[in-house]
Amino acid sequence: DAKTTQPPSMDCAEGRAANLPCNHSTISGNEYVYWYRQIHSQGPQYIIHGLKNNETNEMASLIITEDRKSSTLILPHATLRDTAVYYCIVRGAYSGAGSYQLTFGKGTKLSVIP
Amino acid sequence: NAGVTQTPKFRILKIGQSMTLQCAQDMNHNYMYWYRQDPGMGLKLIYYSVGAGITDKGEVPNGYNVSRSTTEDFPLRLELAAPSQTSVYFCATKGDIRTSSTDTQYFGPGTRLTVL
Repeated sequence: DAKTTQPPSMDCAEGRAANLPCNHSTISGNEYVYWYRQIHSQGPQYIIHGLKNNETNEMASLIITEDRKSSTLILPHATLRDTAVYYCIVRGAYSGAGSYQLTFGKGTKLSVIP
Repeated sequence: NAGVTQTPKFRILKIGQSMTLQCAQDMNHNYMYWYRQDPGMGLKLIYYSVGAGITDKGEVPNGYNVSRSTTEDFPLRLELAAPSQTSVYFCATKGDIRTSSTDTQYFGPGTRLTVL
């Protein structure tokens, strides 16, 4: 499984863009990068995923470098409700019948400051 | 459409007691998962199921058992509770990869278990 490295914590001013980096230098060619977040005491929530191209949805944008060794999750206008732990995950080992494990590390604790 | 529901929300057990954590989903997803999350740590996979009648071990299965008699339900059983099983337990589901364009997992709200 490709390992990911994220900073343990980051601060962001409310209303500004939050840029969360992730390194995944051992990613293989067919592995996707997924981002989830976990707001305190809740279950993880899917944000976005991508393979090679940059992706955008109603929650965030995902920028993947050309060599795919790193990516950045961008929350364009952070709000206080975006305070959470953000997990960068490279889709893990095949576990049968098309199901893949998600390996969660410690993530980045993002604090959005008023 | 409730999504993924878990009961109970909180539970305190004494060492050696047993209990079943319930997980139910109404999304008609084939894949279901049980994770545990210790304080300040990421999630670790306990067991998973790719469909009714099929279960398999994850990273940390010792001390747990599961069953999957229906698509909707995936209970997690602790037979002899130990303090090391104090954790928050999350259930998750995923659609069939043949019909879902993503590998997205949907999580329940969690069960906070303390073993004293």
